[in-house]
This record gives sequence, structure tokens and C-alpha cells, in this order.
Amino acid sequence: GDSVTQMEGPVTLSEEAFLTINCTYTATGYPSLFWYVQYPGEGLQLLLKATKADDKGSNKGFEATYRKETTSFHLEKGSVQVSDSAVYFCALSDHGGSQGNLIFGKGTKLSVKP
Amino acid sequence: DGGITQSPKYLFRKEGQNVTLSCEQNLNHDAMYWYRQDPGQGLRLIYYSQIVNDFQKGDIAEGYSVSREKKESFPLTVTSAQKNPTAFYLCASSIFENRRNTEAFFGQGTRLTVV
Repeated sequence: GDSVTQMEGPVTLSEEAFLTINCTYTATGYPSLFWYVQYPGEGLQLLLKATKADDKGSNKGFEATYRKETTSFHLEKGSVQVSDSAVYFCALSDHGGSQGNLIFGKGTKLSVKP
Repeated sequence: DGGITQSPKYLFRKEGQNVTLSCEQNLNHDAMYWYRQDPGQGLRLIYYSQIVNDFQKGDIAEGYSVSREKKESFPLTVTSAQKNPTAFYLCASSIFENRRNTEAFFGQGTRLTVV
């Protein structure tokens, strides 16, 4: 079945450091791919998305490119801020299947130190 | 403003009691979901519904029940059969088109504690 694997956390960085959070997926069809962010005690918010191969999603300085050849959707940001501290979830939505639901990775906790 | 609302934000339950968590959306979304999140863990799907009067079990449905009598509402009941109900519960909704979900919108969550 479909699945999402993302790098284990926690990830701790200094302010202005470069961020990469790896995400790879397994899907039978041509999924849409998403990154969500969760701040402490809150629900998830969509950060960015890509719906087809080679699409680049971007928002708030974060970017991710849909790579079909490597089945990856890695999240990057050139210069992180303390306010980026949160848990980041990679997710996919595939065509049909028995459930038709969203598949989430386990999440990666990011802590940014001043 | 359109959105998805969960209530209450915090809920305490005595062992052996059923409790119902509310989830309402005014986004006109067809699909709605319930997830459970434990500390430091990812999301686990409890139930989902793609249309009114229909819903499907997710990965951890035992001890939970849902109803979908209206498009806007998808309440979750945590029954006494759920042995470890203390967790953070998240409701979400999305548009289901072309046999695929668009991005999901999440509520703010309900933190349930069994006392």
C-alpha cells in the first residue's frame, strides 16, 4: 500500500542555518504531495503542496520539489528562524484505492535555537 | 470565515464513560476525517467519511464510533471500550474529486484526558 517515510527527528539547528527534511513515498498511482506544519498544541496547517512530477511547492521561504524518479519530496529552507520551530509532516494523496484518504509520515520535530 | 471547528479544546472523562467530540466545518467539503495523535507520534486514522451517511474504519477504529448525518458535522464518540483514550484528537476535511483528496484542513484539536 501507499506509504510516506520521513527522516526521524528531532532536528536542532541554529538560527539562519539551512534546513532539509527528507521525505520519500511509495504509491501505486500519481499522488499529490503535501507538507504540513504543526505548532505546539494546535492542529496541522498546510505549508505547501505539489500535484504532479517536477512541480515545486513554496511558501514562507520553504520549498519542496516533486521528484518522481526518486519518489521524493524533500522540504528545504535556506535560513531558518526560531519561529519555524514546529513538527513537520509529509503526506500524500493517491487516486482511489480502498480508502482514498491522506497518508501521513510520522513527523519531524524541528527546534531552532537563537 | 470558513473553517473547521472542534470542541471542546480540552475534555476530561472518567473511566467507563462515553464522550463525544464535536467537529463542524463550513467549507462545503465532502470528506471528513478523525485522527488520533499521541505524544511524539504521527497521526493515526480512526474513521473517515467521503459522503453523508457513509463512513469507513481507519487503522484504529476499535473503541470509537462516528456518524455523518449532515455534510457539515462528523462527531466522534470515544466509548468505554477504548482502553487508552487519553490523546490529542484531530478532525480534518477535504474536497474529494477525481478519486483523490485535495489538501486537508484541520481543526485545532481536542485534548482528551481520562481521569
